Amino acid sequence: GESVGLHLPTLSVQEGDNSIINCAYSNSASDYFIWYKQESGKGPQFIIDIRSNMDKRQGQRVTVLLNKTVKHLSLQIAATQPGDSAVYFCAEIFNTGGFKTIFGAGTRLFVKA
Amino acid sequence: NAGVTQTPKFRVLKTGQSMTLLCAQDMNHEYMYWYRQDPGMGLRLIHYSVGEGTTAKGEVPDGYNVSRLKKQNFLLGLESAAPSQTSVYFCASSYSGGRGTDTQYFGPGTRLTVL
Repeated sequence: GESVGLHLPTLSVQEGDNSIINCAYSNSASDYFIWYKQESGKGPQFIIDIRSNMDKRQGQRVTVLLNKTVKHLSLQIAATQPGDSAVYFCAEIFNTGGFKTIFGAGTRLFVKA
Repeated sequence: NAGVTQTPKFRVLKTGQSMTLLCAQDMNHEYMYWYRQDPGMGLRLIHYSVGEGTTAKGEVPDGYNVSRLKKQNFLLGLESAAPSQTSVYFCASSYSGGRGTDTQYFGPGTRLTVL
């Protein structure tokens, strides 16, 4: 079936360390993936995206890696800061006669000072 | 440029009451969406609209109705609220969902409790 899930529901890291948040997807036809950040009491906010014809994409302090062989997506945050504490969602988009987006349940990232 | 705004931010209803949630966007986006977010679950699409005057059902449409009379506004209605509709509701918009690559911009959410 179609699913987007996360390996770890919570992640706690020390300030300054790197964080890695993982996501598994099951639809091999998905051609676009997005990572969102959701801070407490706020709506999800776009972080970075990647197309299925790419393996890696870098942004400011963030990198998304896509492994289509094992249907795995990861978000790496370099030098994690307290402001990075939030819930992170992955989302996959695929075409079923119209584009459909499925969101994962989310991983909560805690950054310890 | 306010982006996506939602009113109200919080609401408590009794079972059987009705209410309307308002979403507004000032980015001239064609597509608008209503989601609900429940603990431990990903966002689930309730209804969406691909343009002014159009609406379509999403994944969990039962118990909700929507209207898109103006391009910038997308209303979500609950005709007879049930405790199962206790949730956080998010509105989102995108330039065009048809290409599959357009980022969705989310509002701050409405926390609804049905007693």
